[in-house]
Amino acid sequence: DIQMTQSPSSLSASVGDRVSITCQASQDISKHLNWYQQKPGKAPKLLIYDASNLETGVPSRFSGSGSGTDFTFTISSLQPEDIATYYCQQYDKISLAFGGGTKVEIK
Amino acid sequence: EVQLLQSGGGLVQPGGSLRLSCAASGFTFSTNAMNWVRQAPGKGLEWVSAISGDGVYTYYADYVKGRFTISRDNSKNTLYLQMNSLRAEDTAVYYCAKNKGDARFDYWGQGTLVTVSS
Repeated sequence: DIQMTQSPSSLSASVGDRVSITCQASQDISKHLNWYQQKPGKAPKLLIYDASNLETGVPSRFSGSGSGTDFTFTISSLQPEDIATYYCQQYDKISLAFGGGTKVEIK
Repeated sequence: EVQLLQSGGGLVQPGGSLRLSCAASGFTFSTNAMNWVRQAPGKGLEWVSAISGDGVYTYYADYVKGRFTISRDNSKNTLYLQMNSLRAEDTAVYYCAKNKGDARFDYWGQGTLVTVSS
């Protein structure tokens, strides 16, 4: 099975800061990588699909990049409403796996 | 408006069984693959199972294979997860999630808590 290593596990940044999260796959997954945001007590929300495509209705300050085994999720200017835990998720023909999550807090 | 309304969670003893349901509306249910994803208290997301739109193909994570069964009734627009031989480590909030394209989850149910404890 493909394993996903997400880092950091938590971060603290100021409003307006650029924030980046990385996800590394244990083998080549092409661009089969999605990113989700989860706020406490809520279901996750899809933000980015296929590594770099912004889901409809998601603010443009969110972006994704990468292919193969290394991926990056970026918030260009952190807003108070972005406080949440972010997860990467990979998929191949028969299995799915999530990264361990990154909790984003305001400094 | 797409809605996924879950039911069926609760407290069950180790070794017991439980069936979760996810009633879908607002989209053509039979043409969309569906998934179950769980989250143990204070932990991350964990994919559990998937089923194709026609119900022919099913997929399971290793840690539930042989104990859980995913199914769907397209005439009732409802997804199910039959959970048998439950263990303490199965305690989690279980979410149903709709597939869009290649295994991206664009809509999620509200989640239902399953607690396995004596």
